[in-house]
Amino acid sequence: NAGVTQTPKFRVLKTGQSMTLLCAQDMNHEYMYWYRQDPGMGLRLIHYSVGEGTTAKGEVPDGYNVSRLKKQNFLLGLESAAPSQTSVYFCATHRAQSRVYGYTFGSGTRLTVV
Amino acid sequence: LAKITQPISMDSYEGQEVNITCSHNNIATNDYITWYQQFPSQGPRFIIQGYKTKVTNEVASLFIPADRKSSTLSLPRVSLSDTAVYYCLVGEGSGGYNKLIFGAGTRLAVHP
Repeated sequence: NAGVTQTPKFRVLKTGQSMTLLCAQDMNHEYMYWYRQDPGMGLRLIHYSVGEGTTAKGEVPDGYNVSRLKKQNFLLGLESAAPSQTSVYFCATHRAQSRVYGYTFGSGTRLTVV
Repeated sequence: LAKITQPISMDSYEGQEVNITCSHNNIATNDYITWYQQFPSQGPRFIIQGYKTKVTNEVASLFIPADRKSSTLSLPRVSLSDTAVYYCLVGEGSGGYNKLIFGAGTRLAVHP
């Protein structure tokens, strides 16, 4: 039981390049989230999904796109990377009723845009 | 939306009890209070969640006064491995991101 798996773990991009981050979960959770974390700051929500085929914008969605074609996968795309997108990206999931169990986070993807 | 305030950092020594207080003055009726722990290069990990009064599990206790405008995470007899960042979250326990707010976190350093 892997829980939440993020790939890749590290990546360096040049400005203007594109890439996709993958979040895969094997817990059959309905909700999935993408957060970014910058030094000394808490997590800020980029996009989220409440189920297969649905996505919605979070707090800081500009410059990112997402897709949830399968329930277990949530993809985060950067079409044209910018240095401001240098950050650590975390995926999180939870069941629809999470009052007791909370969120499960992946181990993060460290992205550097040069 | 509830504004969250927690200390930026705290220091403690092995074996001591650590109490981290979070202020959430505008907490809504349906909001739960949740604490997460984050180690370097890892995602946050759920510690404890509560609505009112006191909640205790094998890791920590959570104290919530009657007005629910603050909460205190209590870590009994900390060890070096408790050195981490602790986040206080306020939001509906049933989900819905737009009501789940991450504070800036409290960086706890436990010294020998």
